[in-house]
Amino acid sequence: NAGVTQTPKFRILKIGQSMTLQCTQDMNHNYMYWYRQDPGMGLKLIYYSVGAGITDKGEVPNGYNVSRSTTEDFPLRLELAAPSQTSVYFCASILWGNSPLHFGNGTRLTVT
Amino acid sequence: KNEVEQSPQNLTAQEGEFITINCSYSVGISALHWLQQHPGGGIVSLFMLSSGKKKHGRLIATINIQEKHSSLHITASHPRDSAVYICAVIGDKIIFGKGTRLHILP
Repeated sequence: NAGVTQTPKFRILKIGQSMTLQCTQDMNHNYMYWYRQDPGMGLKLIYYSVGAGITDKGEVPNGYNVSRSTTEDFPLRLELAAPSQTSVYFCASILWGNSPLHFGNGTRLTVT
Repeated sequence: KNEVEQSPQNLTAQEGEFITINCSYSVGISALHWLQQHPGGGIVSLFMLSSGKKKHGRLIATINIQEKHSSLHITASHPRDSAVYICAVIGDKIIFGKGTRLHILP
């Protein structure tokens, strides 16, 4: 298994540009999550999904959108990039509550 | 009040010292994870606990479900243990502690 794969690893955006952060897992996990981690800070939940076709907002959803058309993929969309979205983004997945938690390697995004 | 509290926030110790990091939570959980993040690095899972105690090398993790408390211990600490250690609880969603920044001096 490749685990959780995130792309790209790094990206620089100009204010107002849009992009999609990709997250794919090959473990048939139902639960997938997007977090952002600001420098020196903890992880904040952006959006999560409990299965294909189901998504819900987390703690800091403004400025982001997600979709979950398949079990494997959970892309995160930034429509109008703002400097406040400069952060490191992590995707995570888990099969169910009492099973291992897997993280992608992160995407470092800078908006200037 | 945060649903997951970690202490201490920062910890500096000498190589060889015994390290304890604590995690208290206030919600019902099915499991608790201890995670490790090296500077500029990804996040890896060290332990998953639903009861009792687990040991992996120099790392030991314990959980007391009744008291809603878990501890991560590092024996014979080494500079390569320097990292941020994060407690995450799994309930109806995943809730993370803010992390403990550990620095082991040679």
